[in-house]
Amino acid sequence: DAGVIQSPRHEVTEMGQEVTLRCKPISGHNSLFWYRQTMMRGLELLIYFNNNVPIDDSGMPEDRFSAKMPNASFSTLKIQPSEPRDSAVYFCASRRGGGSYNSPLHFGNGTRLTVT
Amino acid sequence: AQTVTQSQPEMSVQEAETVTLSCTYDTSESNYYLFWYKQPPSRQMILVIRQEAYKQQNATENRFSVNFQKAAKSFSLKISDSQLGDTAMYFCAFMKHKGGSEKLVFGKGTKLTVNP
Repeated sequence: DAGVIQSPRHEVTEMGQEVTLRCKPISGHNSLFWYRQTMMRGLELLIYFNNNVPIDDSGMPEDRFSAKMPNASFSTLKIQPSEPRDSAVYFCASRRGGGSYNSPLHFGNGTRLTVT
Repeated sequence: AQTVTQSQPEMSVQEAETVTLSCTYDTSESNYYLFWYKQPPSRQMILVIRQEAYKQQNATENRFSVNFQKAAKSFSLKISDSQLGDTAMYFCAFMKHKGGSEKLVFGKGTKLTVNP
């Protein structure tokens, strides 16, 4: 079990540039979550997918943010154009759905994004 | 909407002593799950312990135990025989119980430092 894999580990970009964060969930997990962590706001859910379908994107801050899950083994979170206030750690997490208690959320190691 | 409150931004404890981290939540749901996650400086989110709301017995995992008070909507974490490796951010989280996939709502976290 390789765990949830996120890339890149760190990303530094200039304001206005497009940023794409990537996530590979654990094989067999059919739910995928994108969280953002900042000192001020803590861990915020941005969007989550069930069976590759977006279920709740109410946490996506603006139209500059978009997320896709083209198949069960890959998801992206894109920010275009990026702004300094987007600087945060972005976590991807996955779990096997349908058995909430026995299927805890597994997190990736996060992507630290810095927008200058 | 569910909310999770951790009223202690920071705490410290001496090695080998016991410490309790507080968590309260607000929900109109009758059945749900509660979790404690640990985030060490490595940034990885690690599940520490979980509790089903319909179970009256408090969950225990080795040195970690919870005090679940459903009526008071309280879910505190007790760490016994604290070790230096317990130094981390601790997050309390809530999840509704439903057949499909549900999101976790996190508190803002408590930074715990274990001193030698």
